[in-house]
Amino acid sequence: EAGVTQSPTHLIKTRGQQATLRCSPISGHTSVYWYQQALGLGLQFLLWYDEGEERNRGNFPPRFSGRQFPNYSSELNVNALELEDSALYLCASSLGTGHTDTQYFGPGTRLTVL
Amino acid sequence: GIQVEQSPPDLILQEGANSTLRCNFSDSVNNLQWFHQNPWGQLINLFYIPSGTKQNGRLSATTVATERYSLLYISSSQTTDSGVYFCAVESSGTASKLTFGTGTRLQVTL
Repeated sequence: EAGVTQSPTHLIKTRGQQATLRCSPISGHTSVYWYQQALGLGLQFLLWYDEGEERNRGNFPPRFSGRQFPNYSSELNVNALELEDSALYLCASSLGTGHTDTQYFGPGTRLTVL
Repeated sequence: GIQVEQSPPDLILQEGANSTLRCNFSDSVNNLQWFHQNPWGQLINLFYIPSGTKQNGRLSATTVATERYSLLYISSSQTTDSGVYFCAVESSGTASKLTFGTGTRLQVTL
């Protein structure tokens, strides 16, 4: 069974640009989560999508947004990039609402903002 | 929000030694997971353990939910065990959001 996949592996952008990160969950999982791991800040929850809807959001500005597609894959968009957005972005999936269950993580996308 | 503290922050062991990593949390939880982050950043699931005890090979974990702590035991450590170990919890009132501890960085030497 394939795990959570993310693309691209690495992404280099300049300040002010937009970045788009993609995630495909484990087959059968309907929930997708996004986390940011920035140097010195640890792992922080960004967004949770389930059945196409945004269910919860962490303490991040509105320029961090995303969506979930009918096949349950997800996109994270970061607009007006700032230097401090440089981080490892991790996507996770789980069975979805109504299930308190294990979150399985993908390999991450490393975003560098120059 | 819920607070998650891990100790020790750093640990150096010789190969073959045993270790215990601790995770304290400040509120009741629906979910507690232990992860190992490899040098490439991938989070590897070790245990889903909101309560009770589980074992998987040389690793075992115990969560005492009523006392709000969890322990990860590593026995007969190997150099491949090196990396950062994270505890993450889902608070009973926070809809599937995992809150991570700051991690324990483990280095196993020959």
